Amino acid sequence: RKEVEQDPGPFNVPEGATVAFNCTYSNSASQSFFWYRQDCRKEPKLLMSVYSSGNEDGRFTAQLNRASQYISLLIRDSKLSDSATYLCVVSRYSSASKIIFGSGTRLSIRP
Amino acid sequence: EAGVTQFPSHSVIEKGQTVTLRCDPISGHDNLYWYRRVMGKEIKFLLHFVKESKQDESGMPNNRFLAERTGGTYSTLKVQPAELEDSGVYFCASSQEGLREQFFGPGTRLTVL
Repeated sequence: RKEVEQDPGPFNVPEGATVAFNCTYSNSASQSFFWYRQDCRKEPKLLMSVYSSGNEDGRFTAQLNRASQYISLLIRDSKLSDSATYLCVVSRYSSASKIIFGSGTRLSIRP
Repeated sequence: EAGVTQFPSHSVIEKGQTVTLRCDPISGHDNLYWYRRVMGKEIKFLLHFVKESKQDESGMPNNRFLAERTGGTYSTLKVQPAELEDSGVYFCASSQEGLREQFFGPGTRLTVL
């Protein structure tokens, strides 16, 4: 079983739609959680960290449920530029250390 | 501020040859990581340096891979001899001391024929 599981998609939604991605992790001792974004043939870029209380950054909202070992990302009012692969990332530590990637969920926004 | 840089961007070599990848982290970042994505798989951790010391090398696949970070600045990852299954994209990332957020370089796409 993979340590971080994501629905690979692809999700194909119209511009302006709301889309949600989910992710589960298997190691209950995990301490840090992130969503990264990766454009085609580019490097991953940090989208946002995920906190237990939930956090929002503009159109993006991330939630963490430690009891269920579940992380979510909600994108509201989606834009064409949101088309990318979204990577769920987990770390076992709260400080600098290796991070563990999910395989990513592909999102395509159509006009 | 310059980001993480990697060289070369692409490398095509034959099985049995040697390849050396280079990573220059963001200036002042003590933590340097190597990751790899092989076709159809998720990005996987290879190695973590703190300054010039190997903090965690649990992801290194075998002894054909050698990573160094002399002087605690740039790092090299050498594959010798390369095998077909080594093909993939090798990413380097760096982070500041004590911080979790990692910044990735553009990657080196390695093809072993």
